[in-house]
Amino acid sequence: DIVMTQSPDSLAVSLGERATISCKSSQSVLYNSNNENYLAWYQQKPGQPPKLLIYWASTRESGVPERFNGSGSGTTFTLTISSLQAEDVAVYYCQQYYSTPVTFGGGTKVEIK
Amino acid sequence: QVQLVQSGAEVKKPGASVKVSCKASGYTFTDYYMHWVRQAPGQGLEWMGWINPNTGVTIYAQKFQGRVTMTRDTSITTAYMELNSLKSDDTAVYYCARDSTNWQLRHWGYWGQGTLVTVSS
Repeated sequence: DIVMTQSPDSLAVSLGERATISCKSSQSVLYNSNNENYLAWYQQKPGQPPKLLIYWASTRESGVPERFNGSGSGTTFTLTISSLQAEDVAVYYCQQYYSTPVTFGGGTKVEIK
Repeated sequence: QVQLVQSGAEVKKPGASVKVSCKASGYTFTDYYMHWVRQAPGQGLEWMGWINPNTGVTIYAQKFQGRVTMTRDTSITTAYMELNSLKSDDTAVYYCARDSTNWQLRHWGYWGQGTLVTVSS
């Protein structure tokens, strides 16, 4: 199984400041045949299902604000919120869909400082 | 618009079974894998398996092998997840989530609202 490790577990950021979340996979999720990283990021607010933010490691889902950016390749990935807004308070999960079983990181809780 | 509407909350006794439904609309049901994921209270996301609604083929996480059954009824565009021999640590919110294809694992753009299953004596 591919183990997804997120850090930090939580972080507090001032409004308008940058938030950075790391996700590392125990093996590469880069699929050589199409040069895509099978890595997604989800946002989950209390009482709601997760919402897709980023897929293929860096492609923003339609309607997701431009302040959300994904980067990385292979085994190391980053989700950056460039200017934190109040509505971004949530838990963020990375997910690999390179192989079964699909696995998630443990989540990073983002709060306002 | 794409919608996944799940059945309501359940309370079950240990050893019982639960069957959660996920009614899909707004797209061609057979064109996309359907996944099931659960989330215990205050915990992260745990993948349980997927079903190909077109063929009925299923893949289950090893942890749930022998205890979970995923099915679908294409006539009413509904997917089902049945979990047997329930234990207290099966208490969780169960989600269905639609994949982006039905031929390869991809990202999941649509989720059901979740179904809380509580296992308690």
